[in-house]
This record gives sequence, C-alpha cells and structure tokens, in this order.
Amino acid sequence: ELKVEQNPLFLSMQEGKNYTIYCNYSTTSDRLYWYRQDPGKSLESLFVLLSNGAVKQEGRLMASLDTKARLSTLHITAAVHDLSATYFCAVDILQGGSEKLVFGKGTKLTVNP
Amino acid sequence: DGGITQSPKYLFRKEGQNVTLSCEQNLNHDAMYWYRQDPGQGLRLIYYSQIVNDFQKGDIAEGYSVSREKKESFPLTVTSAQKNPTAFYLCASSIGGAYEKLFFGSGTQLSVL
Repeated sequence: ELKVEQNPLFLSMQEGKNYTIYCNYSTTSDRLYWYRQDPGKSLESLFVLLSNGAVKQEGRLMASLDTKARLSTLHITAAVHDLSATYFCAVDILQGGSEKLVFGKGTKLTVNP
Repeated sequence: DGGITQSPKYLFRKEGQNVTLSCEQNLNHDAMYWYRQDPGQGLRLIYYSQIVNDFQKGDIAEGYSVSREKKESFPLTVTSAQKNPTAFYLCASSIGGAYEKLFFGSGTQLSVL
C-alpha cells in the first residue's frame, strides 16, 4: 500500500525565515502535486512535478522532485503571513489498471509576524 | 465563469437519514471525483467516474453511493450505513483523468445532529 508522509505536520515560523517541507512516498511514481488549502476552503493547485529533477518556483515557494529518493520538497523563502495555510502533497500512482491520487496528511504552516 | 459548484456548503444529517451532496461542473471535464477530508488528515477517495453512466469505488466507498447520469453532475449520497459521516467533502474534476488538471469545488461540511 502506498504511503505518503509529510514532515513536519505542523510548522510555526517567523516572517522572513526560510524552511522546507518534506514529502516522502513509498512506491514508484513520476508525478507529484502540491496543493494549498486555507481553513474551510477548497484546495488550490500550486505545483505539478512530472519528472525526476523537476523544479518549479512561484513567488516564495519552490518545489522539487527526486523520484529516485521518492522525495519532494517544498521550500519557503522569506516567509510572509499570507503563506499561512495547510500544504498537501499528492502522489499519482497506477493501481489495478487505474490512476490514483494519494494525499499526504498535510503540513499546517503558521507564519508569525 | 467555468468551475465546480458544490452545494450545500453546510449540511446536517439526522441518524438513519440519507443525504445527498450536489456537485456540478461546467468545465466539460470527463472525470469527476469525490474526496473525504477529516481534520488533520489528507484527502481520501470515495468514488470516481471517468465517463457518464460509469463510476468506480475509491478507497472508502462503504456507506456512500453516486450516480453519473449527466457529464456535468456527480451527486454523492451519504447513506445511513455510513456510521461516521462527519467530514468535509470535496468534489473535483479533471480532463480525462489527468490529475495535473484537477480542479476542486469549495466543499461541503457534513455534520451529524
């Protein structure tokens, strides 16, 4: 059974600091997605990583994928309060002839002034 | 504007009652999905449908039922057999099952009275 583990699950950081969220998964996959969720809201797609070595950046967030290590990272640079949200990674696998998206439990990020 | 509309935003269920959550999309997407989200957890797949009049069980289908009579609509019924229905339910759609084009609705919070 595929496991997708995010680390840490809770992250409290100060504005202006840098930090990295990790997403490990237990089976082969070349596709990984990062989503953001604000409290009581839907999920917003942040990054789609489709191959080994893929790196995507948007503003203060940068995501990367190492398929050999089965690891993706979401790096936050000079955090601001607006980045406070829960971040999910999700891995796309083929199971029983169908594609399936398996989510991690999420990392709740709080950026303090 | 194209998008996915879920209704209602909040829903309360009495014991033994079936309730139906609505999901409508005007994106002309073939594939639609229902996910359940519990506090502090990732999303878990309940049911999905790749084409009209066809759907498959996800990881936690017990106690739920769906229909796909029209391309635009994918309602989810939470039956009385679902003993722990309190959760946030998210509907999503994509072009032909391609997760990189996954769009989410705004969600329905279901609670038990």
